[in-house]
Amino acid sequence: ETGVTQSPTHLIKTRGQQVTLRCSSQSGHNTVSWYQQALGQGPQFIFQYYREEENGRGNFPPRFSGLQFPNYSSELNVNALELDDSALYLCASSPGTGPGETQYFGPGTRLLVL
Amino acid sequence: GQQVMQIPQYQHVQEGEDFTTYCNSSTTLSNIQWYKQRPGGHPVFLIQLVKSGEVKKQKRLTFQFGEAKKNSSLHITATQTTDVGTYFCADQTGANNLFFGTGTRLTVIP
Repeated sequence: ETGVTQSPTHLIKTRGQQVTLRCSSQSGHNTVSWYQQALGQGPQFIFQYYREEENGRGNFPPRFSGLQFPNYSSELNVNALELDDSALYLCASSPGTGPGETQYFGPGTRLLVL
Repeated sequence: GQQVMQIPQYQHVQEGEDFTTYCNSSTTLSNIQWYKQRPGGHPVFLIQLVKSGEVKKQKRLTFQFGEAKKNSSLHITATQTTDVGTYFCADQTGANNLFFGTGTRLTVIP
């Protein structure tokens, strides 16, 4: 597989709660990107981290935040969960940020907000 | 804003038939990448196209980038049941961010 792992695989939360999703990138991959994939749609870019700094952000509100750690792991935090946050959350790692770099996706975390 | 549409949205084919999905952008595409996502799975990188008019082949799969870099296509010859899944094109924008198309879900009937 891709060498990218995510935890947990599934999660159920209630509206208003907070959630932390985790990703472990391939060793040596300094870039991690997070995507949200709603049912039946394509993944949407949330944000990207490069060497522990945010390096770009999609059209998501500030209650979506992230962290990247020196050991190639990262987190996606979502505060004040809403029903529409129910989705598959994917992380993808790549060696750098240059054009043409392949992104390697993890298996995703399926979040259900009730 | 940018829109990347794929047609058709769904396609059912008999095993052995050919399949094509088209990716059309409202703006000029930077680099186009194609991904396959099996049901219940995650996107898996297939290929990247960079140059205008570029054509690449992977066994039964043929990928094409339009001359104006506003469209791309994926053609599968003689589909097999292992080809089942959703095929996404994605524009690689900015610092290696991916803007995904709407996807085409392929069903192959044995």
